[in-house]
Amino acid sequence: GAVVSQHPSWVICKSGTSVKIECRSLDFQATTMFWYRQFPKQSLMLMATSNEGSKATYEQGVEKDKFLINHASLTLSTLTVTSAHPEDSSFYICSASSGAEQYFGPGTRLTVT
Amino acid sequence: KQEVTQIPAALSVPEGENLVLNCSFTDSAIYNLQWFRQDPGKGLTSLLLIQSSQREQTSGRLNASLDKSSGRSTLYIAASQPGDSATYLCAAVSGGSYIPTFGRGTSLIVHP
Repeated sequence: GAVVSQHPSWVICKSGTSVKIECRSLDFQATTMFWYRQFPKQSLMLMATSNEGSKATYEQGVEKDKFLINHASLTLSTLTVTSAHPEDSSFYICSASSGAEQYFGPGTRLTVT
Repeated sequence: KQEVTQIPAALSVPEGENLVLNCSFTDSAIYNLQWFRQDPGKGLTSLLLIQSSQREQTSGRLNASLDKSSGRSTLYIAASQPGDSATYLCAAVSGGSYIPTFGRGTSLIVHP
């Protein structure tokens, strides 16, 4: 089946720094990638949708200047959390699709101290 | 706006029981519906995908049904095992946008 990887799997950073998370589709070309955020014991909340070569579409309430998304190729999308604060600590999950079915990455645990 | 509700929120059962997890959605104009499993601190594992034209899908001890007209899907787990302990999420994928809306999940514990 289709495989999506994320890197890093976990990261700890200091408040005020920026963190980049990568999402890769390993064995297929993903025309669309999605970024989700999940708080403990909560469901996944869609943050943004990105299509290769175009600007990401952010969900209402998600700060586009804080969560920078780049989808430079059909196999790679990156999420950069800029000037991270403790409230940004969360589990970030990406998914990739080439049609109607999405394939999810293993997630990245971000802790901001 | 699509809303997805999962009942129950939590379930604890002894090993061997047959289980039914429920998922309801408000907008029946879905493209498909997916069931996922999530272990603590991990990402999502896709279990079953039901296209809007289908009524059910089966994989091993898992069976998922879909009734679009009533806005419901159920995940049936036969002969539950401790290894089935996890959170189960359903997601309704909207037609056209292909964007899924997730429920909050059902946290399942199967004890020996």
